Amino acid sequence: RKEVEQDPGPFNVPEGATVAFNCTYSNSASQSFFWYRQDCRKEPKLLMSVYSSGNEDGRFTAQLNRASQYISLLIRDSKLSDSATYLCVANTGNQFYFGTGTSLTVIP
Amino acid sequence: GAVVSQHPSWVICKSGTSVKIECRSLDFQATTMFWYRQFPKQSLMLMATSNEGSKATYEQGVEKDKFLINHASLTLSTLTVTSAHPEDSSFYICSAPLSYEQYFGPGTRLTVT
Repeated sequence: RKEVEQDPGPFNVPEGATVAFNCTYSNSASQSFFWYRQDCRKEPKLLMSVYSSGNEDGRFTAQLNRASQYISLLIRDSKLSDSATYLCVANTGNQFYFGTGTSLTVIP
Repeated sequence: GAVVSQHPSWVICKSGTSVKIECRSLDFQATTMFWYRQFPKQSLMLMATSNEGSKATYEQGVEKDKFLINHASLTLSTLTVTSAHPEDSSFYICSAPLSYEQYFGPGTRLTVT
């Protein structure tokens, strides 16, 4: 079983829509979690960190459910510039485990 | 925030040659760095963990004699792809952790002809 699993999508949503991604992790000892954004042919960029129950930054909200071992990312009022691949990452000890990424395309 | 650089950003080489990729943490020290490979439309796959002053730890299925890693200082790790073949063509990314976060280099696109 993979350490981190994500629905690869693709998600195609209209501009202004709200979209949510889920990610599950297998190791209950995972300490912290992250959502990264990766544009085509570029390195991942940190979008949000999730250490406790959740985090909100503008249109983006990340939530952590330790009992069910999943993390979610909610994007409100989608913009065309939100089109990217979103990677879920779990930190366990000194290791970082990546999900396969979820592809999002926001359509005009 | 913290900055990690990689060099070169793009390299084309002939089959059978070796290519060295450098990863530097510019404003912090990193006793550990990670090397990833990413094929088109796939996620990052951890290749190895580079440890300053000791041997790298390779993930299962990654040939340590083919992908040589040297972490000679607290700010520099190098990955050498030896005897490169076309199937080694990929996007190679390094990262360095600082506190509980990872900072990625901009990546190196390797094309082996």
